[in-house]
Amino acid sequence: DTGVSQDPRHKITKRGQNVTFRCDPISEHNRLYWYRQTLGQGPEFLTYFQNEAQLEKSRLLSDRFSAERPKGSFSTLEIQRTEQGDSAMYLCASSPQGAAGANSPLHFGNGTRLTVT
Amino acid sequence: AQSVAQPEDQVNVAEGNPLTVKCTYSVSGNPYLFWYVQYPNRGLQFLLKYITGDNLVKGSYGFEAEFNKSQTSFHLKKPSALVSDSALYFCAVRPSGYSTLTFGKGTMLLVSP
Repeated sequence: DTGVSQDPRHKITKRGQNVTFRCDPISEHNRLYWYRQTLGQGPEFLTYFQNEAQLEKSRLLSDRFSAERPKGSFSTLEIQRTEQGDSAMYLCASSPQGAAGANSPLHFGNGTRLTVT
Repeated sequence: AQSVAQPEDQVNVAEGNPLTVKCTYSVSGNPYLFWYVQYPNRGLQFLLKYITGDNLVKGSYGFEAEFNKSQTSFHLKKPSALVSDSALYFCAVRPSGYSTLTFGKGTMLLVSP
């Protein structure tokens, strides 16, 4: 299967700890997105990359959050000094660029569920 | 800024009956519209999209949606519901020229046998 892969699927951490999530997009997709989904809500945009460049960040992305895509392939999302309010499903998605990208849906991974205790 | 409204938290329908899940949107310029479905503890799966052209678009698993520009709506429909259609459905919008999707809060569809 060559879909979007996210690791880990579940993460339980104590408040104040740092966590890092990984996303491997579909190989031919050069756009990569991070979304956050809390219970009863739709996914909320956090940030997106085109190749290795981070082109847009939501105001939801506080200074405790940082995302990287160093080689334009996989991406990591790090949360420092986690808070209970960070508990959510973190979703990664990818899409192609250009004319194909404009019309293309986002392809989502199965997400990483974070629980902060 | 764009937004999506899904006015129903939950839709209940009996198997075999037609279903409609409602979506309205607000966006500057031409909208690209999408429907996704989410099963428990899974990511979102793409169902269908409207970019341009025919107002009635057909998608996966027998679903279709009708784009209505004057009412700024994009309701999801299926002529005959299945129990296996029970899931969480999200409508999303992306203005042309933008790269990010804005989602509604979702509608839970429950199909009873």
